[in-house]
Amino acid sequence: DADVTQTPRNRITKTGKRIMLECSQTKGHDRMYWYRQDPGLGLRLIYYSFDVKDINKGEISDGYSVSRQAQAKFSLSLESAIPNQTALYFCATSDSGPQQYFGPGTRLTVT
Amino acid sequence: RKEVEQDPGPFNVPEGATVAFNCTYSNSASQSFFWYRQDCRKEPKLLMSVYSSGNEDGRFTAQLNRASQYISLLIRDSKLSDSATYLCVVTRSGNTPLVFGKGTRLSVIA
Repeated sequence: DADVTQTPRNRITKTGKRIMLECSQTKGHDRMYWYRQDPGLGLRLIYYSFDVKDINKGEISDGYSVSRQAQAKFSLSLESAIPNQTALYFCATSDSGPQQYFGPGTRLTVT
Repeated sequence: RKEVEQDPGPFNVPEGATVAFNCTYSNSASQSFFWYRQDCRKEPKLLMSVYSSGNEDGRFTAQLNRASQYISLLIRDSKLSDSATYLCVVTRSGNTPLVFGKGTRLSVIA
């Protein structure tokens, strides 16, 4: 089984809809991250959490919110999706070291 | 100026060629450096860390020049399976998030 899983893997939604992307990990890591990736723009950090009670904004947090329900779970919400949030979203985890382990990604399309 | 800058490529090289990628970073407080590899439509994965003295892992050699704030990755004897995007990554400390470059795309051609 994969150490970092993301659901759904693909999602098409309409403008204005609320959507939640979920991430679970079995690595026992305290730190979890959400990134989006767009062609030509690379990976950009949305939010990160260093433990269950810690939430931090990343480079591009506007329009997003997160919830750290447990050590193993970190969810990303788009309260009112807009077309420019169409992207590939990655969740990642790490311990206190620098290596991050990424999930397989969620491809989100907002029409 | 972006914190981590890379030439986006693409680099199109024949099998067996040697290819080098460069990366510059703007924050002199950066402490740790890495190369990640990302295959098309897949998640990034750590390729190797970059140490001040330079380090090698098989056909891959990474170099760091702190004075010039410059990181490089050399791939010798390129294989078709090396085709991917290579991401330069830096961080200031263990308590700050990684900062990713936009990546350099490599295509190795038969």
